Amino acid sequence: DIQMTQSPSTLSASVGDRVTITCRASQSISSWLAWYQQKPGKAPKLLIYKASSLESGVPSRFSGSGSGTEFTLTISSLQPDDFASYYCQQYNSYWTFGQGTKVEIK
Amino acid sequence: QVQLVQSGAEVKKPGASVKVSCKASGYTFTDYYMHWVRQAPGQGLEWMGRINPNSGGTNYAQKFQGRVTMTRDTSISTAYMELSRLRSDDTAVYYCARESGAARIFDYWGQGTLVTVSS
Repeated sequence: DIQMTQSPSTLSASVGDRVTITCRASQSISSWLAWYQQKPGKAPKLLIYKASSLESGVPSRFSGSGSGTEFTLTISSLQPDDFASYYCQQYNSYWTFGQGTKVEIK
Repeated sequence: QVQLVQSGAEVKKPGASVKVSCKASGYTFTDYYMHWVRQAPGQGLEWMGRINPNSGGTNYAQKFQGRVTMTRDTSISTAYMELSRLRSDDTAVYYCARESGAARIFDYWGQGTLVTVSS
């Protein structure tokens, strides 16, 4: 099974900050990586797929990069609506999620 | 618009089974795989498996093999996930999620169903 490891687990930031979350795969997954945002009590929402493709309707302050085993999600200027948890997901071989990163207000 | 509407919360005793439904609307049910993902309280997301609503074929995560059964009823555009021999650590919110065509990512999600396992 492919394991996904996210860091950090928790991130404290302020509105306007540039935020970066890292996701590492236990083996190469090419670019078969997605990022989801989840708010408390809600279902996850797709943000990015194929490592760097922005889902329709998602603000352009979100971006993704990487390939192989190392990936990043960047929020260029954190907005109040962005305080949430973020999960990476590999879909190279079945599907596996990272353990999540909670973005908190500093 | 695409909607996935799940059945309501359940409380079960250890050793029992639970069956959660996911009714799809706004698209052709048989054209897209349906997945099930769960989330224990305060924890991350865990993929359980998927069903091909057209053929009924399934793929299950190894962890749940032998305990999970995914089925569908195409006449009412509904997918089901049944988990047997419940334990307290099966307490979680269970989500259905549609796989986005060839992209293999999850573009629409149900609202979630809380399953509580308690004696």
